[in-house]
Amino acid sequence: GAVVSQHPSRVICKSGTSVKIECRSLDFQATTMFWYRQFPKQSLMLMATSNEGSKATYEQGVEKDKFLINHASLTLSTLTVTSAHPEDSSFYICSATIAGANTGELFFGEGSRLTVL
Amino acid sequence: RKEVEQDPGPFNVPEGATVAFNCTYSNSASQSFFWYRQDCRKEPKLLMSVYSSGNEDGRFTAQLNRASQYISLLIRDSKLSDSATYLCVVMAGSARQLTFGSGTQLTVLP
Repeated sequence: GAVVSQHPSRVICKSGTSVKIECRSLDFQATTMFWYRQFPKQSLMLMATSNEGSKATYEQGVEKDKFLINHASLTLSTLTVTSAHPEDSSFYICSATIAGANTGELFFGEGSRLTVL
Repeated sequence: RKEVEQDPGPFNVPEGATVAFNCTYSNSASQSFFWYRQDCRKEPKLLMSVYSSGNEDGRFTAQLNRASQYISLLIRDSKLSDSATYLCVVMAGSARQLTFGSGTQLTVLP
């Protein structure tokens, strides 16, 4: 199956700093990647859709200046949490679909657990 | 009302038991339906798609009732390794329109 790699898997940072999370599709091209956030015992919430070569589409309520998304190549999307606050502590997961497929199957990265002190 | 609702559980069942989960969705335009499995602190992984006529994959059976807008997952002969959170996922159009339920937690006990 398709493999999506996410890094780092765990990060602890101080309040006010910025954290970058990388999402890579290892064996396929992903023109579109998705970024989710999941709080404990809650569902995955879509934050934004990352499109290669263009601006990301953010969901309502997600601040685009706080969560910077860059999708510079067909295999890499990055999410930067700027000026992190403790309430940003969460599990961030990226996913991708195989270009041209619309089966709805998402291939997820391993997730990044962010803790802001 | 949530777009996709699941009983959060937890369901604690003995090995070998049969267990069923239900999920209801509110968007009547939903077109595709899935069950994902998520282990603790891990990413979700596709368990199976749900087809209109119902479908089976080994010990797992999924069913869809469009009229009542619910889907179900039946697990027979539960194994310890089935312990996980099961996410009901509904797609209205593109992958951007995937909506996840909050999951049903299953623990299979020895």
